[in-house]
Amino acid sequence: DAGVTQSPTHLIKTRGQQVTLRCSPKSGHDTVSWYQQALGQGPQFIFQYYEEEERQRGNFPDRFSGHQFPNYSSELNVNALLLGDSALYLCASSFGFPEKLFFGSGTQLSVL
Amino acid sequence: TQLLEQSPQFLSIQEGENLTVYCNSSSVFSSLQWYRQEPGEGPVLLVTVVTGGEVKKLKRLTFQFGDARKDSSLHITAAQPGDTGLYLCAGAEGAQKLVFGQGTRLTINP
Repeated sequence: DAGVTQSPTHLIKTRGQQVTLRCSPKSGHDTVSWYQQALGQGPQFIFQYYEEEERQRGNFPDRFSGHQFPNYSSELNVNALLLGDSALYLCASSFGFPEKLFFGSGTQLSVL
Repeated sequence: TQLLEQSPQFLSIQEGENLTVYCNSSSVFSSLQWYRQEPGEGPVLLVTVVTGGEVKKLKRLTFQFGDARKDSSLHITAAQPGDTGLYLCAGAEGAQKLVFGQGTRLTINP
């Protein structure tokens, strides 16, 4: 049984570009949450998707957007990248919430 | 947004020693979770505590939830090099999100 898979694992972009990160939840899970983890910090909640709708959003600008597909997979899009967007982006899946969260290994985004 | 503060931020001890990591907040959480994260990986859930005063044991790890459900501690007995990692506490805020502390980076030296 595959766990949460994220792609790509690493990404390098330049300021002003746009990026799309992808997440496939663990089998049987219907809820996907995205977190941003800056170097030396704990993860910060970006938003959560359930039934293809954004259920709640953290304190992130509109440049951060997402989507959930009928198969429960999800995408995180970030527009107009800033240097400060450099971080590890984590996807977590669960069946409902706040049940046990399973995290993927993350996508390390570097903005130059 | 509720805040969680962890202490210490960094801890380096010798194999075989005991240690305690603290997670404190001024707010009440409905539940609190502890995760361990290794380099290049996502956090892995260790335990969830729900009831004030609750104590859970996981081999050499003991987790306690404060009576007022505002704080928690993680105690490791006879630490081993394999315990090295970033330990994160996280509180459930509302029905949708977890609020994480900044983490305690633990290093166990052989």
